[in-house]
Amino acid sequence: AQSVTQLDSHVSVSEGTPVLLRCNYSSSYSPSLFWYVQHPNKGLQLLLKYTSAATLVKGINGFEAEFKKSETSFHLTKPSAHMSDAAEYFCVVRPSSNTGKLIFGQGTTLQVKP
Amino acid sequence: DAGVTQSPTHLIKTRGQQVTLRCSPKSGHDTVSWYQQALGQGPQFIFQYYEEEERQRGNFPDRFSGHQFPNYSSELNVNALLLGDSALYLCASSWAPGSGGVTDTQYFGPGTRLTVL
Repeated sequence: AQSVTQLDSHVSVSEGTPVLLRCNYSSSYSPSLFWYVQHPNKGLQLLLKYTSAATLVKGINGFEAEFKKSETSFHLTKPSAHMSDAAEYFCVVRPSSNTGKLIFGQGTTLQVKP
Repeated sequence: DAGVTQSPTHLIKTRGQQVTLRCSPKSGHDTVSWYQQALGQGPQFIFQYYEEEERQRGNFPDRFSGHQFPNYSSELNVNALLLGDSALYLCASSWAPGSGGVTDTQYFGPGTRLTVL
């Protein structure tokens, strides 16, 4: 069965320090992988996506993620956190090319301290 | 360029009632998906509509039904509401470049917060 596991439910960093949000996936096929961000009382915004092209994917707002097939991971990173990055982050998998269904992880809350 | 819009923003219903939520997709998109996000959880896929037909469905009971109109907008209907139906309902739109309604990137609306008392 396809699934997504976000390894940390809560991550706290200081402003200006690096961010690492961890995600492992399980899929029988070559998946598409996404990271979405959700600010309080807002909808989901796409940060970046991987669709079998380059394994290092650059997204908006300085975020990037690396697809590692051998480790079935798709961790999200940012070199320097900003206060505005505080939000809920979801790792998402679309298990195969013939489905429109997205499978979401449980989410990671990112707290940024001044 | 308007993004995905949903109405209403908030809704309060009582158990046993029926509710209809509405979604207008992003301009140029022809596919609409619906998700339920319970408090503190990730969104869960309800179903997807393409060419006015339900193309794929998640693990939700028949109380959840939908419709897509010729202008690609969509409705989600929930009958016989239960307390457990209280959640944020998200609509996502996308574009199917080929046949079969299979799309890639989904863009989400702000959601409708449903409270069942």
